[in-house]
Amino acid sequence: GQNIDQPTEMTATEGAIVQINCTYQTSGFNGLFWYQQHAGEAPTFLSYNVLDGLEEKGRFSSFLSRSKGYSYLLLKELQMKDSASYLCAVTRTTSGTYKYIFGTGTRLKVLA
Amino acid sequence: GAVVSQHPSRVICKSGTSVKIECRSLDFQATTMFWYRQFPKQSLMLMATSNEGSKATYEQGVEKDKFLINHASLTLSTLTVTSAHPEDSSFYICSASRSGQGARGYTFGSGTRLTVV
Repeated sequence: GQNIDQPTEMTATEGAIVQINCTYQTSGFNGLFWYQQHAGEAPTFLSYNVLDGLEEKGRFSSFLSRSKGYSYLLLKELQMKDSASYLCAVTRTTSGTYKYIFGTGTRLKVLA
Repeated sequence: GAVVSQHPSRVICKSGTSVKIECRSLDFQATTMFWYRQFPKQSLMLMATSNEGSKATYEQGVEKDKFLINHASLTLSTLTVTSAHPEDSSFYICSASRSGQGARGYTFGSGTRLTVV
């Protein structure tokens, strides 16, 4: 089976740094994505990790440890517009097809 | 590039009627498309995998006779919610796979908000 866990909600202050964790258990692992989703909109791509380590992209960084089944998304210099849900998604192959399995999502609220 | 159009963006229908949602890849061919459902404050749940020219593969617990999927061409997949009930009200999102790009080649549509009254 597969299991992907994230904290349900987090609150942080504008200008601060926040780390959103994601733990997973899955077979056929083929990479991990982080998406941002504002209410009523489709998810937008933030990052992709397939190898262990840290991927940095501007204010956002994502880390992966495959042996621990663990990833985190780090958001720096938080802005009010960063208030959104953050979805961790694991990709796995099944019969040659890549599938996304989404985590429960973390609702982040950024306060002034 | 890699644009996926989903239509309609919002639809309200009466209980017992059917609703069709379209997912089109505008600038690439998509041999595989995925359909997701998202209830308020919850994550995306994969409903089915749609393969061009063959039957869709449904996830456990998803009724294939209720959620009809047709992937008749390399750029279009449709999801029809048959005999809709209020509990089918949800946000439906498709994603399309761009051939040869593996897991990174997925693009999401803009979603469809279905309300059954």
